[in-house]
Amino acid sequence: DARVTQTPRHKVTEMGQEVTMRCQPILGHNTVFWYRQTMMQGLELLAYFRNRAPLDDSGMPKDRFSAEMPDATLATLKIQPSEPRDSAVYFCASGLRGAKNTEAFFGQGTRLTVV
Amino acid sequence: KNQVEQSPQSLIILEGKNCTLQCNYTVSPFSNLRWYKQDTGRGPVSLTIMTFSENTKSNGRYTATLDADTKQSSLHITASQLSDSASYICVVSAQSNYQLIWGAGTKLIIKP
Repeated sequence: DARVTQTPRHKVTEMGQEVTMRCQPILGHNTVFWYRQTMMQGLELLAYFRNRAPLDDSGMPKDRFSAEMPDATLATLKIQPSEPRDSAVYFCASGLRGAKNTEAFFGQGTRLTVV
Repeated sequence: KNQVEQSPQSLIILEGKNCTLQCNYTVSPFSNLRWYKQDTGRGPVSLTIMTFSENTKSNGRYTATLDADTKQSSLHITASQLSDSASYICVVSAQSNYQLIWGAGTKLIIKP
């Protein structure tokens, strides 16, 4: 069945290391979101892509975060260098903009721990 | 400022009982309102989506209501089950753009 797939599910890394999270959106969806969720902040939008073009990445710390869509089947979120405060669950969601009441379908998330 | 506020922050009820979760918003111009269920360790899953013209929508034992005049929504769960234990998040979409304004969620615990 169609679903958003995120890898890895869990990642533990040391401060200063590069982290790359991957997302495979649902086939045919033209919008991709990256969210970060922490206990304190809830869900925060980091970046938004439509038809692979970044429309809004104002929620991302620009100096260390980058988001790309090399092709329609892959979205990546990279942190370099990682810091302990980046520890959170990162969710990717995809949807079909233009469809009535565009709905975002979420992946299972990547739980990142930076020590 | 666009905001979504939910109450209560957490709720504990016995299995089989009903409950109602509240959502107030100040998002304008309003496009639609969604309720998501998020199980621990999982991504949010959509329960209902309502536009301005809809004032109630059901999904099984879940019934959402919307009062666009007072900018309030509620999610009613009937005959609760242990599997209903989760966080329930109210999300409002602004008409002007794609932006989704997320509430902080209500953590619901169902006890046997």
